[in-house]
Amino acid sequence: GAGVSQTPSNKVTEKGKYVELRCDPISGHTALYWYRQSLGQGPEFLIYFQGTGAADDSGLPNDRFFAVRPEGSVSTLKIQRTERGDSAVYLCASSPGQGPYEQYFGPGTRLTVT
Amino acid sequence: AQSVTQLDSQVPVFEEAPVELRCNYSSSVSVYLFWYVQYPNQGLQLLLKYLSGSTLVKGINGFEAEFNKSQTSFHLRKPSVHISDTAEYFCAVSGNREKLTFGTGTRLTIIP
Repeated sequence: GAGVSQTPSNKVTEKGKYVELRCDPISGHTALYWYRQSLGQGPEFLIYFQGTGAADDSGLPNDRFFAVRPEGSVSTLKIQRTERGDSAVYLCASSPGQGPYEQYFGPGTRLTVT
Repeated sequence: AQSVTQLDSQVPVFEEAPVELRCNYSSSVSVYLFWYVQYPNQGLQLLLKYLSGSTLVKGINGFEAEFNKSQTSFHLRKPSVHISDTAEYFCAVSGNREKLTFGTGTRLTIIP
């Protein structure tokens, strides 16, 4: 079956602009995660959804970042007033549910803020 | 809170030689430990995981890891590496079964 997909694969935007990054999880997976990976670093947790609700958003760096998952499947990460420091690869992962399940990662969206 | 330390940022190894990639963690609660691999231009893929039970865990592609609670370590090993093992390896910990906390990664380079 299809894995986790993310669109776009690359996004270049100007400082101050608004961007949306999309994640399509594996069908039937109730848990969805967003991570951010800066150059030379490991992925850092941003937010976790169980179904439609954000169960843990403790990793969002500030109020410019927001994520939704209105129907419990596709999720969108939204970044307002982008800054050059937001440049990174944004990773999405999904898993079958609560518990120590494997998280399946998508290929990521490379965001570059100029 | 949890944290993960991967002391070796780069490890060069000759083909068919053994390799050990080190991972140490800290956590105030019980942990679940993972190793992920990222091949060039690909997404993260799970190699193996420790949830409970036997402390020696076997994963894909001939890799294994041993959970050592007293030393708070979860080192990854392979007895004989191949060119195709060239990749970035990440150790991760989950204390509450949900979000993963990753280390900074170890780049494994196989020398022919």
